Amino acid sequence: IAGITQAPTSQILAAGRRMTLRCTQDMRHNAMYWYRQDLGLGLRLIHYSNTAGTTGKGEVPDGYSVSRANTDDFPLTLASAVPSQTSVYFCASSEALAGGNEQFFGPGTRLTVL
Amino acid sequence: GQNIDQPTEMTATEGAIVQINCTYQTSGFNGLFWYQQHAGEAPTFLSYNVLDGLEEKGRFSSFLSRSKGYSYLLLKELQMKDSASYLCAVRDSNYQLIWGAGTKLIIKP
Repeated sequence: IAGITQAPTSQILAAGRRMTLRCTQDMRHNAMYWYRQDLGLGLRLIHYSNTAGTTGKGEVPDGYSVSRANTDDFPLTLASAVPSQTSVYFCASSEALAGGNEQFFGPGTRLTVL
Repeated sequence: GQNIDQPTEMTATEGAIVQINCTYQTSGFNGLFWYQQHAGEAPTFLSYNVLDGLEEKGRFSSFLSRSKGYSYLLLKELQMKDSASYLCAVRDSNYQLIWGAGTKLIIKP
C-alpha cells in the first residue's frame, strides 16, 4: 500500500441499505477525514479524526458515522442510505490537524443510491 | 456563514499566464491551501499560505492578503496538462478546511 486506499471504487446501492466505505493509509498520519464532493459544490467535511480513538463531526455529519480503532483505518458507514447521499466520497489524511500539513487524498468512492 | 468564492471557469492559452482568484469569509483563519484536481481524480496539494505575501514554487505561485480575505494562484507557462479544476480552501478556527467550489481551467492550444 502506498498512500491512501479506498474501497469500493464505485457502488450502486438501494435506498435503505447499510453501507461501509473503507479507507486505509500507510503514512502513519494522525488526522483523517471524510469528504463528499457534489457537482457545483466544494468538498464538504463529513467527519474527521484527530488521532486514533477520537472522532469529530464536520459540516454534514447527519446520516453518517465513523470509527477510528487504529491509526491506519477510518471507515465511513451509512446506516440507511438515501438518494441524497449519492456523491463522490474522498478519504484524506494529514500528519496533524493544525499547521501547514497538507491533506493527502484517496482515489475516491463513487456512490449511487437509488 | 463561511464562504469561499472562486470563478467557476476560466480559459487560457498554452504558454500564457493565468491568475485564479479566491476570496473568503470564514470564522477564523489558520492558513489557505490550493489544490489541483483533474477530472475523475483526487485533489492534490499545490500550495499553502499562512502569512501575507507570495509563495513561489516552480511555475505556480500563490499570494495571500489576510486583511482583504483574498488569495490568488498564478500559473505561468501554461501546459495542456494544467487543464484541471483548482480548489481554494481555508482552515478555520476549528482547524477544519472550508472549500470553494473550484475553478475549472481550460487550456487551449
